[in-house]
Amino acid sequence: NAGVMQNPRHLVRRRGQEARLRCSPMKGHSHVYWYRQLPEEGLKFMVYLQKENIIDESGMPKERFSAEFPKEGPSILRIQQVVRGDSAAYFCASSRNRGDEKLFFGSGTQLSVL
Amino acid sequence: GESVGLHLPTLSVQEGDNSIINCAYSNSASDYFIWYKQESGKGPQFIIDIRSNMDKRQGQRVTVLLNKTVKHLSLQIAATQPGDSAVYFCAENVSKDSSASKIIFGSGTRLSIRP
Repeated sequence: NAGVMQNPRHLVRRRGQEARLRCSPMKGHSHVYWYRQLPEEGLKFMVYLQKENIIDESGMPKERFSAEFPKEGPSILRIQQVVRGDSAAYFCASSRNRGDEKLFFGSGTQLSVL
Repeated sequence: GESVGLHLPTLSVQEGDNSIINCAYSNSASDYFIWYKQESGKGPQFIIDIRSNMDKRQGQRVTVLLNKTVKHLSLQIAATQPGDSAVYFCAENVSKDSSASKIIFGSGTRLSIRP
């Protein structure tokens, strides 16, 4: 009965490199959310996806950030040309259906940019 | 707005006492509210939720109160235990589309338990 799985747990990148964060939703869930959390702050909404479709990306930075949730495989949050300010914890959550308000969160990926 | 760079407020409670954590929300159109608990190094964990047509909802050792007039939400934890130590976030669904959800988090409160 696996919950939301995120990997890697920790990711270290140098400035200018690419970061790929993966999220496998709970079994039977077809909707995925990505959030970003800085130390001592709340979670900031980034993007809401269902399989092969972006529903709401109003929280995504306009450049360097992209997200996908393909028909097969995990959801990917991709950050190109990372900068130190991208260092944060990135959390993924899933829900069963569109409109489901109860989200189940993964343990997050801690991204550190050197 | 965002509380960038501010430390989380801390509530210190004696073990066994009741805890009350407060939250102000901004969107008067929100109709669904949730409290999450986040322990160090983990993702948020659902505690309890409430819809805007209710004023109060009780769970096991927890109660959520909603005051729509002043846009205020509170979480009451009865007989606080060491395992309750965590950061607590309120969240709301701000989606204008009833067929979609957009859950936005508040800034959080750290609950610290004194033995």
